Amino acid sequence: DTAVSQTPKYLVTQMGNDKSIKCEQNLGHDTMYWYKQDSKKFLKIMFSYNNKELIINETVPNRFSPKSPDKAHLNLHINSLELGDSAVYFCASRLEGSPSYEQYFGPGTRLTVT
Amino acid sequence: GEDVEQSLFLSVREGDSSVINCTYTDSSSTYLYWYKQEPGAGLQLLTYIFSNMDMKQDQRLTVLLNKKDKHLSLRIADTQTGDSAIYFCAAQASGNTPLVFGKGTRLSVIA
Repeated sequence: DTAVSQTPKYLVTQMGNDKSIKCEQNLGHDTMYWYKQDSKKFLKIMFSYNNKELIINETVPNRFSPKSPDKAHLNLHINSLELGDSAVYFCASRLEGSPSYEQYFGPGTRLTVT
Repeated sequence: GEDVEQSLFLSVREGDSSVINCTYTDSSSTYLYWYKQEPGAGLQLLTYIFSNMDMKQDQRLTVLLNKKDKHLSLRIADTQTGDSAIYFCAAQASGNTPLVFGKGTRLSVIA
């Protein structure tokens, strides 16, 4: 299936731990994103990478570090997890130069910090 | 920065039309999108419109854009129970700027 995939789908962990969420797209896109959706469903951009280079970095604590080993992957590593990090994290991708700049979203990773 | 606003809830009867409204603040927003999120799922792009268009129709979906008032609407004709979901409006100034989402409108369809 051609898609944006994320692992894991659910992640439950304790405060203070370090965790990673992985994202892969096989759509041949060159730009990838991480979004955070809070408990009220509010969706906000965190990071954007284009061809493995960071191009958008919104006001996000530096405990969050994205890593893009290649164009098809954008992983999110979170250090010293806090209760407020509990949310659904969505990865998305798009093709640079596509006429509509539409972004394709993954299914989300629900992170619960206890 | 850009701010996108939507009403939070809409309830309609099956077979009726649904109209979901959205306003945005940045007049330079060039690309405007509607995404659908079903429970426990990711966001699915429904449709989009460019700022140089007034209307776009795609099967049961009609998007209207009033650029002067910075108002966008999504009309769903013959609304079905399967249309029950959260609908997000999103605005983008250019391809390299972030998508800014509204808080989402939860559409409930009553059989």
